[in-house]
Amino acid sequence: SQQGEEDPQALSIQEGENATMNCSYKTSINNLQWYRQNSGRGLVHLILIRSNEREKHSGRLRVTLDTSKKSSSLLITASRAADTASYFCATDGFGRGDMRFGAGTRLTVKP
Amino acid sequence: KAGVTQTPRYLIKTRGQQVTLSCSPISGHRSVSWYQQTPGQGLQFLFEYFSETQRNKGNFPGRFSGRQFSNSRSEMNVSTLELGDSALYLCASSQSRQGHEQFFGPGTRLTVL
Repeated sequence: SQQGEEDPQALSIQEGENATMNCSYKTSINNLQWYRQNSGRGLVHLILIRSNEREKHSGRLRVTLDTSKKSSSLLITASRAADTASYFCATDGFGRGDMRFGAGTRLTVKP
Repeated sequence: KAGVTQTPRYLIKTRGQQVTLSCSPISGHRSVSWYQQTPGQGLQFLFEYFSETQRNKGNFPGRFSGRQFSNSRSEMNVSTLELGDSALYLCASSQSRQGHEQFFGPGTRLTVL
C-alpha cells in the first residue's frame, strides 16, 4: 500500500517560476527520497533527506522535512521546460527493506 | 559507473503465459528491489533481495517470485499471467538495505493480452 500522498496532484507553471510539491506520510521513517519520472520511464533519484535532517539542497532543488508533521516539501527554483515530469516522494522506514511511494505530482512547465 | 540495467525493455505476452525479467544492479550494490507501477495502483513494492536472500515481500500473490544471484543480478518471474499484470516493472539497487539511495533502472514494460 502507498505510504502517503503528494500535493498537489498536478501543477502547471511558467518557465522561470518556482514549483513547490508537498508529501505527507503516515509512519515513522528512516529517510525520505524524492524522484523524478518522465513519461513512464525509469525513476531518477533527486535527493535523500534523513530523519534527523531538516533541510537539504542540491542545485535548484531544496527539500525540507518536518518529522513532527510527517511531511516533506520539494522546491524547484527557476523551473525549466525540461523539469516537466512526475515527482514522487518515497519513505524508507525502520526495519523495512522497501520504499513506499506516494501517488506523485505531475509538474508541467510551460516555455 | 554504469547504471541499473533491465532486460527486456518491452514485452508482450498472453494470458496464462509466464515471464522472466532481469535486472543488473550498479556495480558494488548488493540490494535489489522490484516495484510494479500501474496507473491505478501507482508504485508498489514487490520484493527485496540482499545477499541472494529475499528479505522483504510486498502484498502480491505467489505467482510473483524472484531470486538474486551471487553477482547481485536479480530476476523476477510472473507465472500464469493475468491482464492486470500489465505494468511497468522497475528494479532498483542500493549499496545496502537501508539508509542509502535506491537507483532505478529504465523498467520493463509488460503488456498482457
